[in-house]
Amino acid sequence: ILNVEQSPQSLHVQEGDSTNFTCSFPSSNFYALHWYRWETAKSPEALFVMTLNGDEKKKGRISATLNTKEGYSYLYIKGSQPEDSATYLCASITGANNLFFGTGTRLTVIP
Amino acid sequence: EPEVTQTPSHQVTQMGQEVILRCVPISNHLYFYWYRQILGQKVEFLVSFYNNEISEKSEIFDDQFSVERPDGSNFTLKIRSTKLEDSAMYFCASSEGAGRGEKLFFGSGTQLSVL
Repeated sequence: ILNVEQSPQSLHVQEGDSTNFTCSFPSSNFYALHWYRWETAKSPEALFVMTLNGDEKKKGRISATLNTKEGYSYLYIKGSQPEDSATYLCASITGANNLFFGTGTRLTVIP
Repeated sequence: EPEVTQTPSHQVTQMGQEVILRCVPISNHLYFYWYRQILGQKVEFLVSFYNNEISEKSEIFDDQFSVERPDGSNFTLKIRSTKLEDSAMYFCASSEGAGRGEKLFFGSGTQLSVL
C-alpha cells in the first residue's frame, strides 16, 4: 500500500485566479504518478501520467510537475474558470498498475 | 470518444443479498479494474483482470467478491453476500496496456447502498 497525500483538501478561488495544489507520495520504488479530474456524477478523467523525475506536462491551462526524488507533484491551473470546478485526484502506481489515490483536492471556482 | 459504461448507476440492496455490478470497458482495451470509494475515504483498488484471470487483488477483495468477463464485452463484479460496509461507489476502469505511462479510463460508477 502506498500512502498518497494531497493538500489542500478543498480550495475556493475567484474566476481568473491561478492556483496550485500538491500531491506527495513515497519516493522509493517510484513507478508512475497519475492526475485525474473528477466532476460530480461523471467519470474521473485522466489529465496526466508522469513517469520521469523533472517531468512537466501541460494540457491547456493546466500543467503538472513531478519530483520523484522528494516525492511530490504539483498541479497548476492558470486563470481558473468555473468549469475547472472539480475534484483533482492524484494516484501513485506500483508496477502492477494498481493506483493508490490521495483524498483529492476539491476546487471551487467562484464566478 | 469511446468510454467505459457502468450499470446500474445506483443499486440498493438488503444486507446478505447478492449483487452484480456491470461494466462495458472500451472495446480494444485488454486490462480491466475495479475500484471503490467509501464515502469520505480514498478511492481504493480492488482487483485487476487480464487475459481472463485476476492479475492482482487487494486485501479488500476477499472470497465474497468475484469478477468475470462472461462475454467479449462485459466485465462484472459480484458481491455474494453484501454487508453494510460494502456500501460505496464502485468504479470500473480499463486500459489498453499495463505499461508505465498507461492511462486508465474510468466509468462514472455504481453507487451501491446496502441496507
